[in-house]
Amino acid sequence: AQSVAQPEDQVNVAEGNPLTVKCTYSVSGNPYLFWYVQYPNRGLQFLLKYITGDNLVKGSYGFEAEFNKSQTSFHLKKPSALVSDSALYFCAVRDTTGGFKTIFGAGTRLFVKA
Amino acid sequence: DAGVIQSPRHEVTEMGQEVTLRCKPISGHDYLFWYRQTMMRGLELLIYFNNNVPIDDSGMPEDRFSAKMPNASFSTLKIQPSEPRDSAVYFCASSQGARSGGYTFGSGTRLTVV
Repeated sequence: AQSVAQPEDQVNVAEGNPLTVKCTYSVSGNPYLFWYVQYPNRGLQFLLKYITGDNLVKGSYGFEAEFNKSQTSFHLKKPSALVSDSALYFCAVRDTTGGFKTIFGAGTRLFVKA
Repeated sequence: DAGVIQSPRHEVTEMGQEVTLRCKPISGHDYLFWYRQTMMRGLELLIYFNNNVPIDDSGMPEDRFSAKMPNASFSTLKIQPSEPRDSAVYFCASSQGARSGGYTFGSGTRLTVV
């Protein structure tokens, strides 16, 4: 069975500093990995995905994520955080071996302080 | 495109009443997903459809929950009878294909059962 873990409930960074939001996963086959962001009282918004190819994928709003197969991780990063990046971030994994269900992590709340 | 449209945005109902949540997916998207979000359990996949046909309803918590998709532009999630523990935010999402794309989420319906 597939699973995804976000080990940090909350991440605090100062504006202008780099940020990292961690994610690890477990699937039986090749993973498709995703990051979404949720602002208050809104639905989730797709940020980026890893399907195959380059381990560093770039997405919306300057975010990027690094896929590490040996560590089964897919950490979200941004070189310089903005206050407006403050939101709830979800990592998700899709197991392609049977069905295409997407499982979401518990979410990590990011606070960017001015 | 107006995106995925859910109605109502908020619903307050008394225990025992029937509740119907509605979703209009993005035109041309052939997959539709219903998720439930709570603080305790995070995002849970309830059911998903492909070309209006239910594919996996293993996440539907009880027989009190039912979902239909009578056509490509409309889906409903019904709870009958409702209970206080059903209080949550219910999201509908759609995608074109289920394999490698991200999902587009609606803004959700916040359900409160008193």
